[in-house]
Amino acid sequence: QVQLQESGPGLVRPTQTLSLTCTVSGGSISSGDYYWSWIRQLPGKGLEWIGYIYHSGDTYYNPSLESRVSISIDTSRNQFSLKLTSVPAADTAVYFCARAHYNTGGFDIWGQGTMVTVSS
Amino acid sequence: EIVLTQSPGTLSLSPGERATLSCRTSQSIGSTFLAWYQQKPGQAPTLLIYGVSSRAPGIPDRFSGSGSGTDFTLTISRLEPEDFAVYYCQQYGFSPMFSFGQGTKLEIK
Repeated sequence: QVQLQESGPGLVRPTQTLSLTCTVSGGSISSGDYYWSWIRQLPGKGLEWIGYIYHSGDTYYNPSLESRVSISIDTSRNQFSLKLTSVPAADTAVYFCARAHYNTGGFDIWGQGTMVTVSS
Repeated sequence: EIVLTQSPGTLSLSPGERATLSCRTSQSIGSTFLAWYQQKPGQAPTLLIYGVSSRAPGIPDRFSGSGSGTDFTLTISRLEPEDFAVYYCQQYGFSPMFSFGQGTKLEIK
């Protein structure tokens, strides 16, 4: 059973870089069938897709965040990571990693989510 | 950029009743890449429906999806107490590649 687990600091200072890692267990991140994504949920709000990375390293980002986002993959560690630069308080959110099948586009596996607060 | 609009914002029903949730897209997305999720407080979303009408593994058959073009529907045929939650629709393939509706809260009447 594939599982995803987010890790990283729960508190980030304004203007700094938010960095999170998602560890994949029970399956290989090198499978060519999936997009490995980051999604966030602002407090009391809906879901916002941030971006994905494919096993090849190809990435695609939400245009609304593209200038500040980078996603990378480490197949040897079965992990993928998110960096969000120059964060304002408005980036405070629960950050989820998730897997979507490239054929269907449905996110079938999610991490539990990690709360990141941007505050001085 | 495609926009997904869900209605109603809140739906108040009783257990045993039928729930009909709507998702409208700002442009046609055909009949394939539309999914539905259920989210309970403090939890990650759970995939219910993908490909407009295919149930994800383990999802009860009281959940069904339908629609095409710009209008899509999630139907819960007979509400169970555990079904009261927030529901999101999601599209795949149109800019920004993945996007979600704002959600419908299904609450107990």
